[in-house]
Amino acid sequence: GAVVSQHPSRVICKSGTSVKIECRSLDFQATTMFWYRQFPKQSLMLMATSNEGSKATYEQGVEKDKFLINHASLTLSTLTVTSAHPEDSSFYICSARPSGSLSWEQYFGPGTRLTVT
Amino acid sequence: SQKIEQNSEALNIQEGKTATLTCNYTNYSPAYLQWYRQDPGRGPVFLLLIRENEKEKRKERLKVTFDTTLKQSLFHITASQPADSATYLCALAGGNQFYFGTGTSLTVIP
Repeated sequence: GAVVSQHPSRVICKSGTSVKIECRSLDFQATTMFWYRQFPKQSLMLMATSNEGSKATYEQGVEKDKFLINHASLTLSTLTVTSAHPEDSSFYICSARPSGSLSWEQYFGPGTRLTVT
Repeated sequence: SQKIEQNSEALNIQEGKTATLTCNYTNYSPAYLQWYRQDPGRGPVFLLLIRENEKEKRKERLKVTFDTTLKQSLFHITASQPADSATYLCALAGGNQFYFGTGTSLTVIP
């Protein structure tokens, strides 16, 4: 149980285009999902916390107009990187917290490798 | 701001030995601390959680200690195997947020 999927697993896009990444909890409902970014040989950096039916909470330094998050259902959150640039190339990972669970629980997706050319 | 450091970027040990990884933190009083395993190109996988009022936690070949005075957690893998080779991340948690350390890449040499 507690499986989280991400789609796509890899994406290459041209500079200036937008890319949408999906995060799904497959066998549980998740009121809260988290989006992280990880650069090579670095740790995960929390970008934003996504709550179903409300606006996402962004970490300091993360542009909310560039990284659009939509958590429209209890099993799906999407991250859209708008007007992507090469410096946005990174490994994006989502995690999901089961609804009603203890605050420490979260299950990670397999990640999405974004390359902007 | 909180700062989380893991002892070294890379650690090589011989198969069968005990691997010990360190996680130090400052400017924070976490309610609990977690350890994750991350393989290349994959998301982290949860291993163990230890609460601030716990000194030690064990799970099979894994052992975690938590010293809130020293602001340090130690993660031990006993009887290490080549399959244990991965990057190990510590994460501090309080409220609804998590902060991850930089990770230690462990290689177990057959």
